[in-house]
Amino acid sequence: DIQMTQSPSSLSASVGDRVTITCRASQGISNYLAWYQQKPGKVPKLLVYAASALQSGVSSRFSGSGSGTDFTLTISSLQPEDVAIYYCQKYDSAPLTFGGGTKVEIK
Amino acid sequence: EVQLVESGGGLVKPGGSVRLSCVVSGFTFSSYGMNWVRQAPGMGLEWVALISSGSSYIKYADSVKGRFTISRDNARNSVFLQMNSLRVEDTAVYYCARAGTALPVAFFDYWGQGALVTVSS
Repeated sequence: DIQMTQSPSSLSASVGDRVTITCRASQGISNYLAWYQQKPGKVPKLLVYAASALQSGVSSRFSGSGSGTDFTLTISSLQPEDVAIYYCQKYDSAPLTFGGGTKVEIK
Repeated sequence: EVQLVESGGGLVKPGGSVRLSCVVSGFTFSSYGMNWVRQAPGMGLEWVALISSGSSYIKYADSVKGRFTISRDNARNSVFLQMNSLRVEDTAVYYCARAGTALPVAFFDYWGQGALVTVSS
């Protein structure tokens, strides 16, 4: 099975900083990659699908890129409401594996 | 408004069984694949099972294969997860989630609030 590895596992950045989270697949998955945000005590929320398509209603601060094995989620200007754990997920085929998550905090 | 509401969680002994239900509204249920995803306390997300819109395509995570069964009733806008031979490590919040495209294997665009299943003696 394809493994999904996220880095870093956690990060702390200042308000207004540009933040980048990386997700690497152990084999190529084309662009079948989604990103989710889970705020503390809340349900996961879809941010990006097809590696770079922004889900309706999601802030344009968020963007996704990549194809094949290497993907990134970028927050262009970190805001306090972005404190959350971010997960990538592959959906090219079952199993629909998630990455281990990246915890984003404010410095 | 799209809504997914899980029920059926609770405390169960190791080796026991529980059946989760997820009732949906706000969209044409019979047109979408559905999934179950779980999250153990303090841990990340783990996909559990998927079922296509017409129930012809079903897949499971290796960790639950042979113990869990996913099913759906399109007339009742419901998807189910029958969980047998439960283990302590199955303790988690179980979310039902809608596939975001017409394909059964897809990202998840809507999630329920989750149902907690605790396996303990």
